[in-house]
Amino acid sequence: QKEVEQDPGPLSVPEGAIVSLNCTYSNSAFQYFMWYRQYSRKGPELLMYTYSSGNKEDGRFTAQVDKSSKYISLFIRDSQPSDSATYLCAMSQPSGTYKYIFGTGTRLKVLA
Amino acid sequence: DTAVSQTPKYLVTQMGNDKSIKCEQNLGHDTMYWYKQDSKKFLKIMFSYNNKELIINETVPNRFSPKSPDKAHLNLHINSLELGDSAVYFCASSPYPMGDGPSSYNSPLHFGNGTRLTVT
Repeated sequence: QKEVEQDPGPLSVPEGAIVSLNCTYSNSAFQYFMWYRQYSRKGPELLMYTYSSGNKEDGRFTAQVDKSSKYISLFIRDSQPSDSATYLCAMSQPSGTYKYIFGTGTRLKVLA
Repeated sequence: DTAVSQTPKYLVTQMGNDKSIKCEQNLGHDTMYWYKQDSKKFLKIMFSYNNKELIINETVPNRFSPKSPDKAHLNLHINSLELGDSAVYFCASSPYPMGDGPSSYNSPLHFGNGTRLTVT
């Protein structure tokens, strides 16, 4: 079993839809949770990060962490064609492992 | 004024050759990384340097050798290239190694745009 699991998609939604992207993980020591967006032929760019549990909102994006279920989500409201990209979750534990573990990414297509 | 830049962007070479990829960051970060992304988009860490000192060395063939001349630069040299080395290689940097800062302070990765290596 991989440490971080993510549905690869593709996920196709109409413009304006609410998108829900999810990751599950197995290591209960993870405390930092990040979402990256990767456009084709580009490097991943950081969208959101949260520490421990809870929600964080930034514009149309909301990141949610449920540590009891080992489940994290990224919600995109009013999705736009420009949101079409691969979304990668990443997580890390605080105690000196120096590693970020990535999910395999979910490919999202927002149709105009 | 690109934050993390890598060269070359594309690299096509034959099996058995030796090649290098260079990376530079102008963010003032202490920590730099090499990640490999396979055809299924899976990002796997290869190496990390903190202020020129190697801190992560994953199970990578010893044909891969990183070098950090200073904390703003991290290069990757690959000897005797194999077909399975074909992938996109990303350089990244972060303010400090995850786990070294205050417990509630994140140290997010900033990625370059990758080097697409094709071995024929």
